[in-house]
Amino acid sequence: AQTVTQSQPEMSVQEAETVTLSCTYDTSESDYYLFWYKQPPSRQMILVIRQEAYKQQNATENRFSVNFQKAAKSFSLKISDSQLGDAAMYFCAYPGGSQGNLIFGKGTKLSVKP
Amino acid sequence: NAGVTQTPKFQVLKTGQSMTLQCAQDMNHEYMSWYRQDPGMGLRLIHYSVGAGITDQGEVPNGYNVSRSTTEDFPLRLLSAAPSQTSVYFCASSRQGVPVGELFFGEGSRLTVL
Repeated sequence: AQTVTQSQPEMSVQEAETVTLSCTYDTSESDYYLFWYKQPPSRQMILVIRQEAYKQQNATENRFSVNFQKAAKSFSLKISDSQLGDAAMYFCAYPGGSQGNLIFGKGTKLSVKP
Repeated sequence: NAGVTQTPKFQVLKTGQSMTLQCAQDMNHEYMSWYRQDPGMGLRLIHYSVGAGITDQGEVPNGYNVSRSTTEDFPLRLLSAAPSQTSVYFCASSRQGVPVGELFFGEGSRLTVL
């Protein structure tokens, strides 16, 4: 079975600092999307950033960026200038499930200290 | 913009009772799915549908039924609730079929089975 691994169950960052959340996955496909979702205490799942595997350039959305290493099957999320509102669960996901359904990692709980 | 709407948001059941979680989307998405979220487990796929009249099982389908009579609606039925089905349930849809692109999520439904 294809898997997604988030090796950091919890992380903490000081406000205004930078933090990197890691994600590795297992796939034999060559073209796919990768996603990071944020789940704040409100429970809503919010797309943070998306990476297309055939693009070499790392995706960036304001303070969020990814470090995508296709050969290593690694897809980390970097949050710059962390804000209190960034405190949430973060899930990485990719279409590695049966029939290409999204499968999710177990999540990383990020705390932001003022 | 309504997006994906789930009802109810909270429900308490007794073991053996049946119920239906409703999901509707107004984005004309062909793909719809149900996930359950449990602590430390991430999100796991229960059932999915790639269009009206077409459904298939995900990773954890036992104890759940689905149907897709229209593009907009994708209800999830619990036939005989068990305490192991206590969870938070998310309905999600995608413009893209499998392999799945960006998922748009409902707000989640918290189900407790006593």
